[in-house]
Amino acid sequence: SQQGEEDPQALSIQEGENATMNCSYKTSINNLQWYRQNSGRGLVHLILIRSNEREKHSGRLRVTLDTSKKSSSLLITASRAADTASYFCATDEDDYKLSFGAGTTVTVRA
Amino acid sequence: GAVVSQHPSWVICKSGTSVKIECRSLDFQATTMFWYRQFPKQSLMLMATSNEGSKATYEQGVEKDKFLINHASLTLSTLTVTSAHPEDSSFYICSASGQGAGEKLFFGSGTQLSVL
Repeated sequence: SQQGEEDPQALSIQEGENATMNCSYKTSINNLQWYRQNSGRGLVHLILIRSNEREKHSGRLRVTLDTSKKSSSLLITASRAADTASYFCATDEDDYKLSFGAGTTVTVRA
Repeated sequence: GAVVSQHPSWVICKSGTSVKIECRSLDFQATTMFWYRQFPKQSLMLMATSNEGSKATYEQGVEKDKFLINHASLTLSTLTVTSAHPEDSSFYICSASGQGAGEKLFFGSGTQLSVL
């Protein structure tokens, strides 16, 4: 199954700074989703962007999608300590069957 | 929003025993449930897709006789790790989709399995 690549693998930033992470994938998709996972916990859905959309916002989150480059980015603005987590992109190829990227671990320093 | 409950949160068992993990959709009918496995600091790997009332579809390399999946109702799917061994120690997560959940998948909180 397809698996996305994410970069960077890890990111450490100061509280208040922005965090940007990227995701690339290999085949056509219906939509792309971003999830957050706190250590040892389940996944929390952050945002879904459809294949015909280019940009989407939700609170402090901004997601872009470039289907020609098969890539997406997640921007977290004005980061907070509570944003410390791993972030995964996931592509939906067919009937909710998701393929997850390797993830980016974000550490926000107070 | 939709809620998926997974139980237990963690389990420690002896090698050779079987462990059952439950995944329940609390406020929607989960026609499809997915089981994932996650090793430390790695991504989620899909193990199988389970549709209510039918046999699960396993991903390549996943032993169906070792990881028994039952999706007998629209609100419950179970994963049984049979004759567990230390290499089965991992974090197992379920997710569910269906009527009332919209386009999203909702995830359980995961089960940390440690086999001694």
